[in-house]
Amino acid sequence: SQQGEEDPQALSIQEGENATMNCSYKTSINNLQWYRQNSGRGLVHLILIRSNEREKHSGRLRVTLDTSKKSSSLLITASRAADTASYFCATDPPAGNKLTFGGGTRVLVKP
Amino acid sequence: EPEVTQTPSHQVTQMGQEVILRCVPISNHLYFYWYRQILGQKVEFLVSFYNNEISEKSEIFDDQFSVERPDGSNFTLKIRSTKLEDSAMYFCASNGLAGITDTQYFGPGTRLTVL
Repeated sequence: SQQGEEDPQALSIQEGENATMNCSYKTSINNLQWYRQNSGRGLVHLILIRSNEREKHSGRLRVTLDTSKKSSSLLITASRAADTASYFCATDPPAGNKLTFGGGTRVLVKP
Repeated sequence: EPEVTQTPSHQVTQMGQEVILRCVPISNHLYFYWYRQILGQKVEFLVSFYNNEISEKSEIFDDQFSVERPDGSNFTLKIRSTKLEDSAMYFCASNGLAGITDTQYFGPGTRLTVL
């Protein structure tokens, strides 16, 4: 798989349920960031986790990072219809600034 | 809260024409970027810009592309002679601090359609 691959590709849940998506990457990273994109719109930054961090919370979001497995997960708790969007992980290397994005997970939260 | 802005939101052009996409990064930011997303595909890095010069560019960023910071606020991406395959959403991003990497904040994008 390429740097920054999410799974599943698509996820459909009922409002109130939790949504979990995973991201795997191949090379060393400095940070890993999660972004949300509503259909045809811009990228909204959700959370950044540094390579020396293992878990981070922001509101209903929980992100984990396991550098030994080169993977991260994003959990959205108590999902709402407004959480319907595509979610992308993006990694940046130890040297340099460019972000490498995964293909995204499309999340549909049904009311 | 400060945000990155981009104009226009949608640009339609004929193949072979030049286009300039404009961005106003967050005011105290130091690093500026362009990314693109072809419909249904991943977001791809094009170029990063710091201290008035390109710091990194991808293979996509060939001689048809150029970037400029013409004044203290704007950051532009020029495509000299557009091709059909340049049709995509183009995102500008910026981040700041003296640090190497930190959160990159993205603008809402410009949808470029090349006919």
